[in-house]
Amino acid sequence: EDKVVQSPLSLVVHEGDTVTLNCSYEVTNFRSLLWYKQEKKAPTFLFMLTSSGIEKKSGRLSSILDKKELFSILNITATQTGDSAVYLCAVYGGATNKLIFGTGTLLAVQP
Amino acid sequence: EPEVTQTPSHQVTQMGQEVILRCVPISNHLYFYWYRQILGQKVEFLVSFYNNEISEKSEIFDDQFSVERPDGSNFTLKIRSTKLEDSAMYFCASSLRGGSYNSPLHFGNGTRLTVT
Repeated sequence: EDKVVQSPLSLVVHEGDTVTLNCSYEVTNFRSLLWYKQEKKAPTFLFMLTSSGIEKKSGRLSSILDKKELFSILNITATQTGDSAVYLCAVYGGATNKLIFGTGTLLAVQP
Repeated sequence: EPEVTQTPSHQVTQMGQEVILRCVPISNHLYFYWYRQILGQKVEFLVSFYNNEISEKSEIFDDQFSVERPDGSNFTLKIRSTKLEDSAMYFCASSLRGGSYNSPLHFGNGTRLTVT
C-alpha cells in the first residue's frame, strides 16, 4: 500500500530558529513530491520536486528530494510566528491523478 | 492570483439529508478534484474529474456521492443521504493538467460539513 510518512508530528520552536521537516514515502512508480502549508483552511502550494538533489528555494524556505533514499526535507530558516502552520507532504505515484498525503507536521513558532 | 473558491464555508445538516457543496475552480484549469479531511486525520482523495467525467475515485466515493459540472464555471459535490461519519472539511482543488504531468493542485478554503 502506498504511504507517505512525515516527522516529527509536531514541533515547537522560537522565532529565529531553523527547522527541518521530514517526509519519507513508499509509493509505486513515484513521479513527484509536493509540499503544502496549511493554516486553518486551504493547503497552499509551496514546492514540487521531481529530481533528486536539486534544491528548490523560496525565500526562507527550501526543499530537496532524495529518490534513492525515498525522502524529502523542508527547511525553514530564521522562523517567524507567521510560519506556524501544518506542513503537508504529498506524492504523485503511478498512472493516477490523486495525491497521497502524509499526516502533516504541526509547526508552532513562539515569539 | 487566481484562486479556487468554495461555498458555503460551513454547512450543518441533519443525518439523512442531502447536501451540495459548491466550488469554482481556477478558470483555465482542466482537472478538478474533491478531497476531504476528517478532524485530526490526513487529507484523503475522493474523486477527480476531467472532460466532464469522473477520471478516478476512491473507495470513500460510494453511491451516496456524485459530482457535476453544471456549467462552465461551477463544480459540485453532492452527498445524497448524509451520515455522521461524513462530517469533515471538504476541499475542492483544480490543476492545469493531470497528475501524470506532475501538475500541482490548488486548493480552495474548504467547506466544513457537520452532520448532526
